[in-house]
Amino acid sequence: DAGVTQSPTHLIKTRGQQVTLRCSPKSGHDTVSWYQQALGQGPQFIFQYYEEEERQRGNFPDRFSGHQFPNYSSELNVNALLLGDSALYLCASSPDRGYGYTFGSGTRLTVV
Amino acid sequence: AQKVTQAQTEISVVEKEDVTLDCVYETRDTTYYLFWYKQPPSGELVFLIRRNSFDEQNEISGRYSWNFQKSTSSFNFTITASQVVDSAVYFCALTEGDNYGQNFVFGPGTRLSVLP
Repeated sequence: DAGVTQSPTHLIKTRGQQVTLRCSPKSGHDTVSWYQQALGQGPQFIFQYYEEEERQRGNFPDRFSGHQFPNYSSELNVNALLLGDSALYLCASSPDRGYGYTFGSGTRLTVV
Repeated sequence: AQKVTQAQTEISVVEKEDVTLDCVYETRDTTYYLFWYKQPPSGELVFLIRRNSFDEQNEISGRYSWNFQKSTSSFNFTITASQVVDSAVYFCALTEGDNYGQNFVFGPGTRLSVLP
């Protein structure tokens, strides 16, 4: 049973560019959350998607947007990249309000 | 507002020593859930334990044990007879009852190095 799958694993972008990260949830999970983990820090909640809608959002600017597809997979888009956006981006899936919150291995984004 | 504090940034121990990782949390909710996750160098967060605010029983799982004390808002994690494979970053996290599964608040993490 595949867990949470994220792609790509690593990515290097130039300041000002746009990036799209992808996440496939664990089988049976319909809720996807995204977290940003800067080097040496704990993960910070970006937003959560359920039924193709953003259900809750953390303290992140509008440059961060997302999407959830009918098959529950999700994308995280970041526009106008800043050097400070360099981080490990973690996706987590879960059953709606249920136990079993599962994290992927993340996408490491480097902005140069 | 929710907050999780892990005062120990880094800990180094020699194999077979016992080590305790501290976690202090803040929340205004009476219903909340506390978690510990392990993050090895590969990056994924590995779930270790979940505890709800109404269950203050300590728990032991093999070499791992957890001490939850609501009176001091602490949820500490002890590894007995540490092993090199325990080397990782450990995170304590909190989610409030109404938001269960929606939003985890993580502490800054404690990097544990177990030396052979």
